[in-house]
Amino acid sequence: GAVVSQHPSWVICKSGTSVKIECRSLDFQATTMFWYRQFPKQSLMLMATSNEGSKATYEQGVEKDKFLINHASLTLSTLTVTSAHPEDSSFYICSALRPGQNSPLHFGNGTRLTVT
Amino acid sequence: GNSVTQMEGPVTLSEEAFLTINCTYTATGYPSLFWYVQYPGEGLQLLLKATKADDKGSNKGFEATYRKETTSFHLEKGSVQVSDSAVYFCALMGSSASKIIFGSGTRLSIRP
Repeated sequence: GAVVSQHPSWVICKSGTSVKIECRSLDFQATTMFWYRQFPKQSLMLMATSNEGSKATYEQGVEKDKFLINHASLTLSTLTVTSAHPEDSSFYICSALRPGQNSPLHFGNGTRLTVT
Repeated sequence: GNSVTQMEGPVTLSEEAFLTINCTYTATGYPSLFWYVQYPGEGLQLLLKATKADDKGSNKGFEATYRKETTSFHLEKGSVQVSDSAVYFCALMGSSASKIIFGSGTRLSIRP
């Protein structure tokens, strides 16, 4: 079964509002989680690395004030898209790092965000 | 820095055809290499992996061999099925194991 749960699976919001996406590791503790954004032509862009108890590390070109990441516990990381605009509409995918396992990176099923 | 380059799609094949999706990488040290698959509307799933040179990863009829001399990790399957239609991502995890870098993905469509 799924070891990383991402919620919601889809969300529609109005321009200017904020949206929070949750990523939970279900049966292991994840000190490190990653947030990706997938563009229409399937390209997967790493947005940021989320480390429990510390500030997230953002990739170049990603606005940290717009995409707020909080990793307050070993099983939960959240991504908040603040003051969303239509160009933020995308598929957001989280993943959790599980070192030492056959599959080190476990993915959530993604969140489809549509900003109207 | 580390990078992954994979062949652009889309790739369209008939059922039972032979599949190759090329992937090459640039990395320092000894990275681990992966192929992930994404079915429509879903997240990514690990398809196979190889952690050192000459290792062959295999799963569900797919294979890929870690070739250090050519810095490649091409994905192959001898006879594809309609259910293999998905997007395939080649990926690399560096020696520090801090993050995984993905290729741009290749969309595969199999027609009956």
